[in-house]
Amino acid sequence: AQTVTQSQPEMSVQEAETVTLSCTYDTSESDYYLFWYKQPPSRQMILVIRQEAYKQQNATENRFSVNFQKAAKSFSLKISDSQLGDAAMYFCAYRRGLQGDDKIIFGKGTRLHILP
Amino acid sequence: SAVISQKPSRDICQRGTSLTIQCQVDSQVTMMFWYRQQPGQSLTLIATANQGSEATYESGFVIDKFPISRPNLTFSTLTVSNMSPEDSSIYLCSVEATLAGARVGQYFGPGTRLTVL
Repeated sequence: AQTVTQSQPEMSVQEAETVTLSCTYDTSESDYYLFWYKQPPSRQMILVIRQEAYKQQNATENRFSVNFQKAAKSFSLKISDSQLGDAAMYFCAYRRGLQGDDKIIFGKGTRLHILP
Repeated sequence: SAVISQKPSRDICQRGTSLTIQCQVDSQVTMMFWYRQQPGQSLTLIATANQGSEATYESGFVIDKFPISRPNLTFSTLTVSNMSPEDSSIYLCSVEATLAGARVGQYFGPGTRLTVL
């Protein structure tokens, strides 16, 4: 069974600094998607970034980028120039394949605090 | 991206009663999902709802406790039946995002915070 592990329950970073959230996963599949979701205190889940396993290039979205290490089954999220609005719960997630009814599996989350 | 709304945003209910949560999407979607997020926890999938067919429930969730309706491609309801304090959670509706026909992630509604006394 696929699993997603986030080993950092909480992290803090100074405003304007860079922070990296770690995520590892376990799968025997070769074709899958990985995601980072953000859940601010308002609780609206927001898709931050997505990575297709077949792509070697790391995904980037403005200040958010990932370090995808397929062999190591690692998928970390880097937030550059941290802003107060980045404070939230961040969930790493995995989805097998491109078709079918495969569900998304979420990690337990990392709560990120931004220090002014 | 899809815009998803949920009603109610929060409710406080008495033990033994039932609550129906509505989820409305601004576009037609094939698959809708219902999740539960217990306090301080991650998301757990309750069921997948396709229009025109019975919902598919995950292990640990049953239709008698969480009946789901999916009358059309933009709307779904989840009922939490015969509630107990253990049902106190945030319930989230979600739809699949697609890119060139491939399912590539999910968009979530704002959630319904349920407290059962």
